[in-house]
Amino acid sequence: DAGVTQSPTHLIKTRGQQVTLRCSPKSGHDTVSWYQQALGQGPQFIFQYYEEEERQRGNFPDRFSGHQFPNYSSELNVNALLLGDSALYLCASSLYASGRTDTQYFGPGTRLTVL
Amino acid sequence: QKEVEQNSGPLSVPEGAIASLNCTYSDRGSQSFFWYRQYSGKSPELIMFIYSNGDKEDGRFTAQLNKASQYVSLLIRDSQPSDSATYLCAVNDLGWSSASKIIFGSGTRLSIRP
Repeated sequence: DAGVTQSPTHLIKTRGQQVTLRCSPKSGHDTVSWYQQALGQGPQFIFQYYEEEERQRGNFPDRFSGHQFPNYSSELNVNALLLGDSALYLCASSLYASGRTDTQYFGPGTRLTVL
Repeated sequence: QKEVEQNSGPLSVPEGAIASLNCTYSDRGSQSFFWYRQYSGKSPELIMFIYSNGDKEDGRFTAQLNKASQYVSLLIRDSQPSDSATYLCAVNDLGWSSASKIIFGSGTRLSIRP
């Protein structure tokens, strides 16, 4: 049973650049949520995708955007990177048909460092 | 701003004892509650979820929910050194489960001493 996968594992960018992070949900899951986790903090909800549409969004600026593909995989894009965007970016998957998209399983994360 | 509050710890518990982790939440309409375990440098791992008032047991873990007091707790019986981690409390902000916007607390660091 394939779990949630994310790529890349680590990434180093400079201020002003753009980055794309990728996620494949757990086998059988169709809903993907993205989170940002700063050091010493809990994850913060960025957005949730289902049926290739953004369904819910947290308090993140428009520099953060996403996409979901027909195979349920997803991308997180961040434009005009700031130093404060340095964090662990987590993808979590769930199953809409279960009626519980809040029961989520996390991938290993992508550690983004902005210099 | 809806919030989930946890004591940051560290909470130090002797091996074999019961570890008790607590969490309060601000939104009375919240319906779904979760506990995640996160080892240093790793991603969170879902260990318990609870939707109804009362206790829910799974192995050495018991989640307790009191909606009237807006309080969730996690008990770990027979604590082992491998239980040393940060425990994150999380709540679905939306109040229904077909869509979700999960709010996490900052976590409680638990240390099990041999």
